[in-house]
Amino acid sequence: DSGVTQTPKHLITATGQRVTLRCSPRSGDLSVYWYQQSLDQGLQFLIQYYNGEERAKGNILERFSAQQFPDLHSELNLSSLELGDSALYFCASSQFGGHRTSQLRNTIYFGEGSWLTVV
Amino acid sequence: AQKITQTQPGMFVQEKEAVTLDCTYDTSDQSYGLFWYKQPSSGEMIFLIYQGSYDEQNATEGRYSLNFQKARKSANLVISASQLGDSAMYFCAMRGGNAGNMLTFGGGTRLMVKP
Repeated sequence: DSGVTQTPKHLITATGQRVTLRCSPRSGDLSVYWYQQSLDQGLQFLIQYYNGEERAKGNILERFSAQQFPDLHSELNLSSLELGDSALYFCASSQFGGHRTSQLRNTIYFGEGSWLTVV
Repeated sequence: AQKITQTQPGMFVQEKEAVTLDCTYDTSDQSYGLFWYKQPSSGEMIFLIYQGSYDEQNATEGRYSLNFQKARKSANLVISASQLGDSAMYFCAMRGGNAGNMLTFGGGTRLMVKP
């Protein structure tokens, strides 16, 4: 158990709908990352938050948005869903979120993922 | 930009034997970290081992060791005494100071342990 909690574990929804994925980071971790894993794209970084603020943005679609709340949990909102959005969405957390060399070894721990199926 | 390459889509290994999973990387950063993760069929991503670019010794964690060759830009994972439970996808990932704090992943290697 990594200590990162994601809900829901499985979700089936129709095209055009909107869903929210929730993540609770490990106790003490300030940084939250979202990743998408699909068969054709592999593991893609979406977005990172650190202590409530957006820190880095990756290949996140405009239909997707995220936020990190004062209690450090995070939500990933996916709207106008398309069949191609079907994937495993991971939340991960780490203690630090900066760019310092000393923080490179700070492990990023992943949750069990949320399986999203768009039909 | 950072890039991780895992050239072995799938591998078989006999139980109790050692296996090496290849990983090469490309980065312009002077300081970076290399990680290996295991993803069983259940889907979760499990952290295995870390190697820093300035670490003088190769990292080891139990049956896992990392064969780090900085000049060749390779960070191969060695699993000793393979067990049936080692059957999974294995991902090499990199984090670099200039590229940000996030991990960039390779395409993964599926390891299958034969009894």
